[in-house]
Formats: sequence, structure tokens, C-alpha cells
Amino acid sequence: NAGVTQTPKFQVLKTGQSMTLQCAQDMNHEYMSWYRQDPGMGLRLIHYSVGAGITDQGEVPNGYNVSRSTTEDFPLRLLSAAPSQTSVYFCASSYTGGSGYTFGSGTRLTVV
Amino acid sequence: GENVEQHPSTLSVQEGDSAVIKCTYSDSASNYFPWYKQELGKRPQLIIDIRSNVGEKKDQRIAVTLNKTAKHFSLHITETQPEDSAVYFCAASTQWNAGNMLTFGGGTRLMVKP
Repeated sequence: NAGVTQTPKFQVLKTGQSMTLQCAQDMNHEYMSWYRQDPGMGLRLIHYSVGAGITDQGEVPNGYNVSRSTTEDFPLRLLSAAPSQTSVYFCASSYTGGSGYTFGSGTRLTVV
Repeated sequence: GENVEQHPSTLSVQEGDSAVIKCTYSDSASNYFPWYKQELGKRPQLIIDIRSNVGEKKDQRIAVTLNKTAKHFSLHITETQPEDSAVYFCAASTQWNAGNMLTFGGGTRLMVKP
């Protein structure tokens, strides 16, 4: 039982490049979400999903896309990277109905 | 939507003292309130949670209290130890019966001095 697995752990992008951050969980959790964490700040919700085929926007969705084709995977796509997207990205999953999140180990992204 | 405010943003205590972190929330429909601990460079980890049908919950040195009328909840850490030093986040869950979206507070950096 690996929990929530995020790849890559570190990434440097040039402005305008695109990339996909991967997130996979093996706990059969219905709910998955992506957060970004900027220095000295809390966790801000980017996108979330309540099940396969269902996604919705969070607080800061601009510049990001998601899809949920399977229960296990919830990739986050950066369409055209900007320096403002430099951040640490966390994927989290849980059962629905009010339960604690399990977080992945994070992806530290730098856009130059 | 839900808004969660957390205070203080930094807290410094002497080893062995108690620490209290307070959060307020805006949505009276919120009914699940977890607390997370994040050590430097690590992922947030759930340390304790409480549901709206309970006023207090305790787990060894940590406890959480909830006042639904005032819409605030607090984390209490007793007999603090240096390994308690971390950033603590409170959160409130909205739409829990249609998902599990958590809104997080801004975090409290707790420093426990030996």
C-alpha cells in the first residue's frame, strides 16, 4: 500500500513550457485534489474530483487542467508555465463524507 | 464559500509549556474539522480531527475543542516537546456529503525552545 504517489519530486521549467504532474493513489479513495503551497502561505485548492469522470475548479484553477479517467489517477497539467506557478504542489486523496486527507510527498516546481 | 482564519501565525513556547492555536470558520454548514502538522520540507499529516456532533476530542498530548455557536475550534498541545516544532494547519470541510473539499487556514508556525 503505497498511499499517494506524486512524480516528479522536483522540476524546472522554462516559461511557456507545458508539463504534467502525476498523482496516483492505491487506497480506492473517491476524492482527489490538488493544492499549491507558496512560501509562508497556506494550501490553496486548484482542482478537485469526487470520482472518475468528475472534476471541478477550486480557488486558483487558472493555468491548470485536470482529468480523472480512473479512480487511481489524477494528473495536473500546466498548459503554459509562468513564473507565478513556481510553488510546491501537493496531491491529496480521501474517502468522501468528511474524512482526513492523505497527502503525497509533493512536487517542487520552479518556472524560470 | 468557506473562509478559515487561523491565529497566531507564529507561536514560540518553552519546552513543557502548553500551546493553543485557534481557528474560526464562516460556513455554519461545515461539520468536519481536521488539523494537520507539516514538518519542514515534508507533506502535511493529519494529527487529529473532530466532527460537529462532538465538542472535544483528545489524543494523548493533543486535544481539539469545537464551539459551533461561535464557529471556532482550537488545537491544544500540552507538555510541548522540540519535535512538536512544525507548521500546523486547521481546516474545515464543506460539501462533505457531496465530496470532501477542505478549506485550510493560513497555518501557525510553532517553535518549541529546549
